[in-house]
Amino acid sequence: DAKTTQPNSMESNEEEPVHLPCNHSTISGTDYIHWYRQLPSQGPEYVIHGLTSNVNNRMASLAIAEDRKSSTLILHRATLRDAAVYYCILRDFSGNQFYFGTGTSLTVIP
Amino acid sequence: DGGITQSPKYLFRKEGQNVTLSCEQNLNHDAMYWYRQDPGQGLRLIYYSQIVNDFQKGDIAEGYSVSREKKESFPLTVTSAQKNPTAFYLCASSISRGGYNEQFFGPGTRLTVL
Repeated sequence: DAKTTQPNSMESNEEEPVHLPCNHSTISGTDYIHWYRQLPSQGPEYVIHGLTSNVNNRMASLAIAEDRKSSTLILHRATLRDAAVYYCILRDFSGNQFYFGTGTSLTVIP
Repeated sequence: DGGITQSPKYLFRKEGQNVTLSCEQNLNHDAMYWYRQDPGQGLRLIYYSQIVNDFQKGDIAEGYSVSREKKESFPLTVTSAQKNPTAFYLCASSISRGGYNEQFFGPGTRLTVL
């Protein structure tokens, strides 16, 4: 199973950019990189996903390394509402294996 | 509003009793999923369904059962065979099961077995 490795926790000051790293050295060519975030006692919320190219949406940007063995979720301007656990997940084209791991707990400091 | 609803939010049961958790979606999604989350851990897949009247076991299906009689509904039964059922249960759906699709999650049901 393709797995991901993330730091357990990170801190950021409010209104500053945040770069959340994810290593996925065993990624295969058909694996999509997904990011979700979860607030305490709530269901996860989709953030962004990509395959090979960098992706941008209203919530964040996803930067994918050229060899695809790592990726970085970028929150351009952290707010207090961005404090959550962020999960980096791999899913292959068929949708198999949605392994969440333990994620990165982001603390935003006012 | 389109979305996924799970009920109840909190559920208490005595040991040895079966309990059924509800999951309904009005997103017209084909695929539905059940996950379990333990404190401080990520999500683990229990069962998934790609289409009505079809479902497949996930990584930790033992002690659980599901049905998919309607597209919008995917109830999960936690049976007495599940050795440690106390956990946070999350239901999700996606347009189809392909890995390029995002999943939409419900608010979860926290089950406590006394």
